[in-house]
Formats: sequence, structure tokens, C-alpha cells
Amino acid sequence: QVQLVQSGAEVKKPGASVKVSCKASGYTFTSYYMHWVRQAPGQGLEWMGIINPSGGSTSYAQKFQGRVTMTRDTSTSTVYMELSSLRSEDTAVYYCAIDTLNWGQGTLVTVSS
Amino acid sequence: DIQMTQSPSTLSASVGDRVTITCRASQSISSWLAWYQQKPGKAPKLLIYKASSLESGVPSRFSGSGSGTEFTLTISSLQPDDFATYYCQQYNSPTWTFGQGTKVEIK
Repeated sequence: QVQLVQSGAEVKKPGASVKVSCKASGYTFTSYYMHWVRQAPGQGLEWMGIINPSGGSTSYAQKFQGRVTMTRDTSTSTVYMELSSLRSEDTAVYYCAIDTLNWGQGTLVTVSS
Repeated sequence: DIQMTQSPSTLSASVGDRVTITCRASQSISSWLAWYQQKPGKAPKLLIYKASSLESGVPSRFSGSGSGTEFTLTISSLQPDDFATYYCQQYNSPTWTFGQGTKVEIK
């Protein structure tokens, strides 16, 4: 069965960067685009961007342009989401997902001085 | 970008009530709409996909309807386990957009 396993919680200082991983299994890694969605405490779901694991092409939400980078490693079936210049408003749970059904468990990123 | 407008933002209801949540897209998304249920501290759970298809294992009291720009999630008889937040999501384009969410509270 499809599994998306994300890396563990992170605590970062303002201005730093964070890199969250999402390891895929149970399907052909290069056949499905990977999305990243985040949810700040008490807030709704926010789409961040998408990566094509096959060729590595990406598309980011305008809000995150210039601060987010999504990459993949086909040898390990892992996708990465790096967010830079972190601020307190970036405190959120970050999810990877390949479709409406299959989501990772979420990674809490806390930005605090 | 496609915008999704969900209403109401909060809904107070009693067990046994029929509940309806509405989602409107800023342009046609055909039937590429999903509904999720989310409880505190948990990842969203898929209830409905392709506007009206019930995900396996989801109780039949949940149903979805609509196409184009207007969509509805209905819970025919609200159960205690249904008090949660619900989101609509369009996946018509490679980019996704979510509604703002509807919190279903106990009346």
C-alpha cells in the first residue's frame, strides 16, 4: 500500500531554513506528482507547491516563490521541501501528498527565537 | 488561480440533524472536488472525491453533489463522531486550492 513517511519535528530560529523529507513507498515514485500543503495552528490548509518526481520540474504558490525549493532523490524515492528565511508565521504542520487520498503524517515545524 | 469559497465557517448542530456545507469555485472545475474531515492533531481524512464519490470505508450518511462551480457536502444524520472541521478542495489543475473550512460544533 502507498506510504508517505515524513521526517520528524523541527524547531528553528527566525531567519533559518528547514528541510522536510517525504519518503514514498508502495507505488512507482516517478508516476505521481508530489504536493506540499501546510497548516498553521488553528488555521486552514494551504497549498505550497508541487514537484514532478520524474523530471524534477516544480511549480510553487506565489506566496512562497523565492523561499521554497522542492527537490527529489529518485534513488531513495524521497521528496524534499526546503523553506528559507523562516519567520514565526511559518510555524505549521507540513504535509506531503500525492493525491486526495494519500498524505504523509505531517511534520511540525516550529519557528521561535 | 482558482479560489474556493466555503460556507458557513461555523455550524452548530445537534446529533441527528441534517447538515449541509457549500463550496463555490471561482471558475469551473468540472467534478474535480474533494471533501475532507479533519480532527485536532490529525491529517485530513478524505470523505468524497470527484464531487460525489464516497471514499471506501466512509459512512453512507456522507454525500457530495454538484459540478462546475457549486458543490455541497451533506451529512444526513449527524453523529457524535462527525463533530470536526470540513474542507473542500479543488484538484482540477496541477495546483490545489482549499476552502477556508467549516467547523461543525455541538449545539
